[in-house]
Amino acid sequence: GQQVMQIPQYQHVQEGEDFTTYCNSSTTLSNIQWYKQRPGGHPVFLIQLVKSGEVKKQKRLTFQFGEAKKNSSLHITATQTTDVGTYFCAGPGYKLSFGAGTTVTVRA
Amino acid sequence: NAGVTQTPKFQVLKTGQSMTLQCAQDMNHNSMYWYRQDPGMGLRLIYYSASEGTTDKGEVPNGYNVSRLNKREFSLRLESAAPSQTSVYFCASTTGLNQPQHFGDGTRLSIL
Repeated sequence: GQQVMQIPQYQHVQEGEDFTTYCNSSTTLSNIQWYKQRPGGHPVFLIQLVKSGEVKKQKRLTFQFGEAKKNSSLHITATQTTDVGTYFCAGPGYKLSFGAGTTVTVRA
Repeated sequence: NAGVTQTPKFQVLKTGQSMTLQCAQDMNHNSMYWYRQDPGMGLRLIYYSASEGTTDKGEVPNGYNVSRLNKREFSLRLESAAPSQTSVYFCASTTGLNQPQHFGDGTRLSIL
């Protein structure tokens, strides 16, 4: 699988604020997937990006695939307590390479 | 519609004991996977089965064996458990290459 690196590892956010987590690869990716894992739960698929420069939105979540297809980002606006969890990006292939994740905590 | 079912949910073993983790999916998916998750290390692939009848090593296969029993079932065996194998194990399935993975609830395994 193609290795992906995520930053930051931890994100502490005040409720109502925005934040962004990043996923980077040294090689071009044919696609990238994003997953969310709630505390004590299992990863749940959020979205897949395929095209260069692609932007997709899910309510307050905005996903972007870089022009060079080597990086991706997840931006959350007006963070809520329901956004708590770990967000993973995953590179393509059967050996789907997951990043280490960004763990998000929210201060009310 | 159960999705991906893993058994057991929790298990405590002694060093040297053997154990098989079970996974079954009812979505008619072709590919199945076993991951382990340790704090701060994300999900690491142990083995995967791209289709019924095939299995391949992932990133961390040492100490594990797998069996794709049929299209529905994919088991993970620890022949001689070691404390380093204490982890949360997730099974996942997908229709095929680059498709979304559906995960089970996980097995929390402690080896003393």
